[in-house]
Amino acid sequence: DIQMTQSPASLSASLGETVTIECLASEDIYSNLAWYQQKPGKSPQLLIYYANSLNDGVPSRFSGSGSGTQYSLKINSLQSEDVSIYFCQQNYDSPFTFGSGTKLEIK
Amino acid sequence: QVQLKESGPGLVQPSQTLSLTCTVAGFSLTSYNVHWVRQPPGKGLEWMGVIWNTGGTRYNSALKSRLSISKDTSKSQVFLKMNSLQTEDTATYYCARDLSLWYQGVMDAWGQGASVTVSS
Repeated sequence: DIQMTQSPASLSASLGETVTIECLASEDIYSNLAWYQQKPGKSPQLLIYYANSLNDGVPSRFSGSGSGTQYSLKINSLQSEDVSIYFCQQNYDSPFTFGSGTKLEIK
Repeated sequence: QVQLKESGPGLVQPSQTLSLTCTVAGFSLTSYNVHWVRQPPGKGLEWMGVIWNTGGTRYNSALKSRLSISKDTSKSQVFLKMNSLQTEDTATYYCARDLSLWYQGVMDAWGQGASVTVSS
């Protein structure tokens, strides 16, 4: 199985700041990497797929990058509604494994 | 409007079988794959398995011996059955749809989740 190592586990930032979350795959996943946002008590929502493609309706302050085994999610101009847990997930090969999540809070 | 909704018992006794139904609307099960993903309380997401639009299935090897996914296309329903439940199977169970057949494993629509507690 492909292991997904996500960092940091938690993150605290101020409104308007830019934050970056990293995800490392245990092998090359050829950009088959998705990012999900899960707000408290809600289902996960797709933000980014194929490493850098923004899902419909997702604000442009979210962006993804990376290739090979290393990927990142960047959130510009942090808003209060961005308080969530963020998960990366590889869809290169089943089982489609997820990272352990990054909890984002506002300072 | 794309919708998925899980239903099933909230409480299951240890060693018993869990049966969940995912009822979908706004798309056809012949055109999209549907996954099951679970999340123990306060923990991360675990992919359980998928039923392809063709009806084929693939399971997480960690659960394969206990898990079965099927569907009734005419009723727009996907079914999950997992036997020999233990307390560590306590979780919220989600069904989710693939973005498209081109992006297998990219889940763009999720149900609200079904909370399942395994306890006597």
